[in-house]
Amino acid sequence: QSVLTQPPSVSGAPGQRVTISCIGSSSNIGAGYDVHWYQQLPGTAPKLHIYGNSNRPSGVPDRFSGSKSGTSASLAITGLQAEDEADYYCQSYDSSLRGWVFGGGTKLTVL
Amino acid sequence: VQLQQSGPGLVEPSQTLSLSCAISGDSVSSNSAAWNWIRQSPSIGLEWLGRTYYRSRWYYDSAVSVKSRITVNPDTSNNQFSMQLSSVTPEDTAVYYCAREVAGTYNFDYWGQGTLVTVSS
Repeated sequence: QSVLTQPPSVSGAPGQRVTISCIGSSSNIGAGYDVHWYQQLPGTAPKLHIYGNSNRPSGVPDRFSGSKSGTSASLAITGLQAEDEADYYCQSYDSSLRGWVFGGGTKLTVL
Repeated sequence: VQLQQSGPGLVEPSQTLSLSCAISGDSVSSNSAAWNWIRQSPSIGLEWLGRTYYRSRWYYDSAVSVKSRITVNPDTSNNQFSMQLSSVTPEDTAVYYCAREVAGTYNFDYWGQGTLVTVSS
């Protein structure tokens, strides 16, 4: 059971919009710590995809956006493409655990 | 920045798991980075394990879940850092990653390639 809660899977057709939620608590997201998102393709290491709640590293398409409110955060993907099919993980810091915490991951399937 | 991991893929129960992470493009002694170990398993998912960083002296942090078993050490001569996890059990079977955190960002911007470590006799 991960500290941050994500849906196990989401899916959408090419061109559609999907969102992935990340629910935390008052000791992590709700405490004001930033949320970061990682994309993981099969057999590879996670790759930072959104940092500081809503910022995209160089090379990440602007179809990806992040937001945060209260004790939760969301990753939105518009104009779905086949190449977006991957596992996505949210991550934050937890003051009670005094360490970094992750969500359980969401598998995005492009239909 | 590149992180290159090395270490055995099979460890016997009760033994110590040892992995290294060689850094290129940055310095383990950097005053603006921290060097972390993270693991991933189907049962637990992604789990942060520990880190080391230099700010006039060396600091070490570790997750509560492994605090009594983990050691993370810098190797300034070879610009790398290592992790040792003692008294391993089959539950420690996972893919282990090293990763960099830029100070103050609270995220991991560069990762090693990952090492699958199986704990089995």
